[in-house]
Amino acid sequence: GESVGLHLPTLSVQEGDNSIINCAYSNSASDYFIWYKQESGKGPQFIIDIRSNMDKRQGQRVTVLLNKTVKHLSLQIAATQPGDSAVYFCAENKAQGAQKLVFGQGTRLTINP
Amino acid sequence: NAGVMQNPRHLVRRRGQEARLRCSPMKGHSHVYWYRQLPEEGLKFMVYLQKENIIDESGMPKERFSAEFPKEGPSILRIQQVVRGDSAAYFCASSGVDGYTFGSGTRLTVV
Repeated sequence: GESVGLHLPTLSVQEGDNSIINCAYSNSASDYFIWYKQESGKGPQFIIDIRSNMDKRQGQRVTVLLNKTVKHLSLQIAATQPGDSAVYFCAENKAQGAQKLVFGQGTRLTINP
Repeated sequence: NAGVMQNPRHLVRRRGQEARLRCSPMKGHSHVYWYRQLPEEGLKFMVYLQKENIIDESGMPKERFSAEFPKEGPSILRIQQVVRGDSAAYFCASSGVDGYTFGSGTRLTVV
């Protein structure tokens, strides 16, 4: 079946450092990938997305890399801030804007002062 | 735009009671999705609905769970005869051309 998983369940970094969160997916037919941030007691919040015809996309302090050869997705957060502490999920979909999302387990990112 | 609205935020039910969770999609969104999240886990898809139609219910348990999205009013996720294993956070999302938006969830506790 389809599955999206993460390599590391927890990650601690010093404030100001860069962080990298990884994700492996198994469905080669997926066309669209999203990173979500979830703070305690809240719903998932969209961070950045990437389509399968791209290998890199940058946002504000965040970069998503997609390696379709090894079915690997990563989220890079630059100059981490205390507000970046949260659980980060990758998710995959067949197409943007429709159908179900398949989520990974999540990585808890803690930013140390 | 108030975003995706879910209520109640917290719901406590005794075993055997019914739980009704409500979701109003974002304005202009006609697709609604329900997901369940257990502690320390990712969200698991349950059901995808459009107005008056269930499009994909592959993630719904076969018994006790049902969902609807009527022509008027919010989408409802109904859990009959709740058991302790139903305790979880239930998230609704809606989508349109601008992508997915999640609500803040309903945290169901079965005692």
